[in-house]
Amino acid sequence: NAGVTQTPKFQVLKTGQSMTLQCAQDMNHEYMSWYRQDPGMGLRLIHYSVGAGITDQGEVPNGYNVSRSTTEDFPLRLLSAAPSQTSVYFCASSYGFVSSYNEQFFGPGTRLTVL
Amino acid sequence: KQEVTQIPAALSVPEGENLVLNCSFTDSAIYNLQWFRQDPGKGLTSLLLIQSSQREQTSGRLNASLDKSSGRSTLYIAASQPGDSATYLCAASTGANNLFFGTGTRLTVIP
Repeated sequence: NAGVTQTPKFQVLKTGQSMTLQCAQDMNHEYMSWYRQDPGMGLRLIHYSVGAGITDQGEVPNGYNVSRSTTEDFPLRLLSAAPSQTSVYFCASSYGFVSSYNEQFFGPGTRLTVL
Repeated sequence: KQEVTQIPAALSVPEGENLVLNCSFTDSAIYNLQWFRQDPGKGLTSLLLIQSSQREQTSGRLNASLDKSSGRSTLYIAASQPGDSATYLCAASTGANNLFFGTGTRLTVIP
């Protein structure tokens, strides 16, 4: 199993540009989520999905869109990038809900810089 | 909102020493408490998960404890090794679909 994969690993954008961060998992996990990690702050939840076709907002959803058309993939879209979105983005997955006894598996991250 | 704090932010110890990392949380109504390891430039690796009904979990040289009433968890690492050098994060689950993370303790084990 490849686990959770993310592409790209690094990305530089200009303000106003759009892009999609890709996330895929091959463990048949129902739950997937996106976090951002900023210096001096803990990881914060952006969006999550409890299954194909079902998504919901996390703590910091503004400026990001998600969709879940398949169990395997959960892309994160930045519609109009802003310097405040400079961060490291992590995708995670688990078999079930976070509140259950379910280990979270994290991808290697995407380091995004918005100029 | 759940606030998770980890102190100290950084810790250096000589190889072989036993050590304890601390994690505190403000809302005791948690579902579980998880400890992760993060290596520089890498993702997070789950180390231990303690359910709210449990007091501790062990894996090899690692032992995590949970005291919900005081809002504290500790991660005990026995006989530390240079390979244990990493940032250790704790995260508390207080809802169906969210983890609240601390900012981590950066551990350096000196050979």
